[in-house]
Amino acid sequence: QKEVEQNSGPLSVPEGAIASLNCTYSDRGSQSFFWYRQYSGKSPELIMSIYSNGDKEDGRFTAQLNKASQYVSLLIRDSQPSDSATYLCAAYTGRRALTFGSGTRLQVQP
Amino acid sequence: ETGVTQSPTHLIKTRGQQVTLRCSSQSGHNTVSWYQQALGQGPQFIFQYYREEENGRGNFPPRFSGLQFPNYSSELNVNALELDDSALYLCASSLDPQGARGYTFGSGTRLTVV
Repeated sequence: QKEVEQNSGPLSVPEGAIASLNCTYSDRGSQSFFWYRQYSGKSPELIMSIYSNGDKEDGRFTAQLNKASQYVSLLIRDSQPSDSATYLCAAYTGRRALTFGSGTRLQVQP
Repeated sequence: ETGVTQSPTHLIKTRGQQVTLRCSSQSGHNTVSWYQQALGQGPQFIFQYYREEENGRGNFPPRFSGLQFPNYSSELNVNALELDDSALYLCASSLDPQGARGYTFGSGTRLTVV
């Protein structure tokens, strides 16, 4: 079992819709969680971090964390074609490293 | 534009050769980590340095080694290159010595081993 799991996609949504990206993790000791966006051929860019249960909103992005279910999600409201990218979920487990999932590819159709 | 810069951007090496990749972190970021990202995969942790000392290492063999310098720059060295070492190598820096608050990634070095 991978430590951080994501559906590889592609997840296809129409422009203006809500995109929902999900991630599960296996290490209950994971302390903090991150969503990175990675455009093709580019490096990951941090878009959201979340440390406690519940929701955290930043503009069109909402991160949700449920530690009991070991589940993290990212909602993107009013999706735009420029949001088309691979979204990487990462967990910090206290071993001085981030553990990444393989990423979910999001396609926003104009 | 991130505050983390990497060089070179692309590199082609022959199997068995050695390579050095370089990174310049954001000022004040004492923590630097290196990750390897194979095509279609998430980044995999190689190692982390804090104030010039290695303080964490992933499941990579000893032929992957590194250095961190007082001026916030660092190096990743890979000896005896193998074809499977072909990947995007990412340098990441953090203000947090543990890295628990996330990292800023550089633009990466694309290494191709032939």
